[in-house]
Amino acid sequence: TQLLEQSPQFLSIQEGENLTVYCNSSSVFSSLQWYRQEPGEGPVLLVTVVTGGEVKKLKRLTFQFGDARKDSSLHITAAQPGDTGLYLCAGSRNSGNTPLVFGKGTRLSVIA
Amino acid sequence: DVKVTQSSRYLVKRTGEKVFLECVQDMDHENMFWYRQDPGLGLRLIYFSYDVKMKEKGDIPEGYSVSREKKERFSLILESASTNQTSMYLCASSLAQGFTGELFFGEGSRLTVL
Repeated sequence: TQLLEQSPQFLSIQEGENLTVYCNSSSVFSSLQWYRQEPGEGPVLLVTVVTGGEVKKLKRLTFQFGDARKDSSLHITAAQPGDTGLYLCAGSRNSGNTPLVFGKGTRLSVIA
Repeated sequence: DVKVTQSSRYLVKRTGEKVFLECVQDMDHENMFWYRQDPGLGLRLIYFSYDVKMKEKGDIPEGYSVSREKKERFSLILESASTNQTSMYLCASSLAQGFTGELFFGEGSRLTVL
């Protein structure tokens, strides 16, 4: 059973377009992290959201944590080729007493 | 900057060989993790450790073992490699905030078992 479902699995868009990727679960998470992984590298943390309804912005990236802390979204405005990569969400359960669980990821390709 | 270093970026081994994957972190992190990453399956946790000489099974420990003799080093061992262990292996570390803290990953070790 996959605790965190990410959609879409693949996304290919033109430079300048907007996009949203989703991370959904039937479980409640005490916090949720988003990572980006570029080819040949390990994942790197983008943001952590903790409070239900929280919205965080990182330049052209907007992250939202659902009110019930069961889902999250990542919106990218005016995508750039440098945004290309694998986006992973990871959730913390049991108040952080067990390791993070990862979604399968959304592979984004931004074409110039 | 935190640095997590994995000893080998690419390895090719034969079925039945013993394989050691080494991981070293330089930021005095208590927690260390080994994941494997496969297309369509995401990151799956193999083993983790929250202290020296302590280890806990993750979601897919079968066929693997680990060693943590020093705080900075966490080794993954494949006692008898099999073709279904061909994968990308990622090591990570984090501060001891339970397990809610940021994970710092190495660049990965791509293992091919023939």
